[in-house]
Amino acid sequence: KQEVTQIPAALSVPEGENLVLNCSFTDSAIYNLQWFRQDPGKGLTSLLLIQSSQREQTSGRLNASLDKSSGRSTLYIAASQPGDSATYLCAVKSPSSYKLIFGSGTRLLVRP
Amino acid sequence: DGGITQSPKYLFRKEGQNVTLSCEQNLNHDAMYWYRQDPGQGLRLIYYSQIVNDFQKGDIAEGYSVSREKKESFPLTVTSAQKNPTAFYLCASRPVGGIDNEQFFGPGTRLTVL
Repeated sequence: KQEVTQIPAALSVPEGENLVLNCSFTDSAIYNLQWFRQDPGKGLTSLLLIQSSQREQTSGRLNASLDKSSGRSTLYIAASQPGDSATYLCAVKSPSSYKLIFGSGTRLLVRP
Repeated sequence: DGGITQSPKYLFRKEGQNVTLSCEQNLNHDAMYWYRQDPGQGLRLIYYSQIVNDFQKGDIAEGYSVSREKKESFPLTVTSAQKNPTAFYLCASRPVGGIDNEQFFGPGTRLTVL
C-alpha cells in the first residue's frame, strides 16, 4: 500500500531564503507525482507535475525533482517571499490506479 | 473562464439531515473526484468517477453517495449515516488519457454539523 510522507510538518524561514520541501513515498512504481499549494480555507492549486520518466520540472522560482529509486521528491523554492506562505502537498499516482495518494503537507511561513 | 466551481462555500447541517454539495466543471474532463480534508491531514478520497453514469468508492465512502448523470456535474450527498461529517470537502477533475493528466481542484465547501 502506497504511503506518502512529508517532513517537516511546518517550516518557518526569513524572506529571501532558498528552501527545500521533502516528499517521500513507499512504492517506487508511480505514474507521476504532483505538487500542490493550498492557502488557508482554499482549494489546491497545482504547481508542478513530474512524470515517472522525468527527473525534474521547473516553473519560475520552483523546481521539483524526482528520484523514484529512493522514493523521494523535493520542491525547491528560490528566494522565498511572504506570498509563498501556504501549505504544500505532494501526491503520487500509481500506474494501476485512478486516484492520487496525498501526503499530509508542509505548512510554510515566510517571515518578512 | 474554465474551471471547477463548488457550492455552497459554507454549509451547516443539523444532526440527521442529508445535504448535497455541488461540483461543476467546464474543463471537459472525464474524471471527477471528491476528497475530504480534516485539519492537519492530507486528502482522503471519498468517491471518483471516470465516465458518465459510472462511479467507484474511494477509501472513505461510507455515509456518502454520488451521482454522475452529466459529464460536467458530480454532486456529493452527505447522509445522516456519516458519523463525523464536519470537514472541508474538495472536488477535483482530470482529463483521462494523454500524458499530462494533472488533477485540478475546486475552491472547496466547508461543512459543519450543528
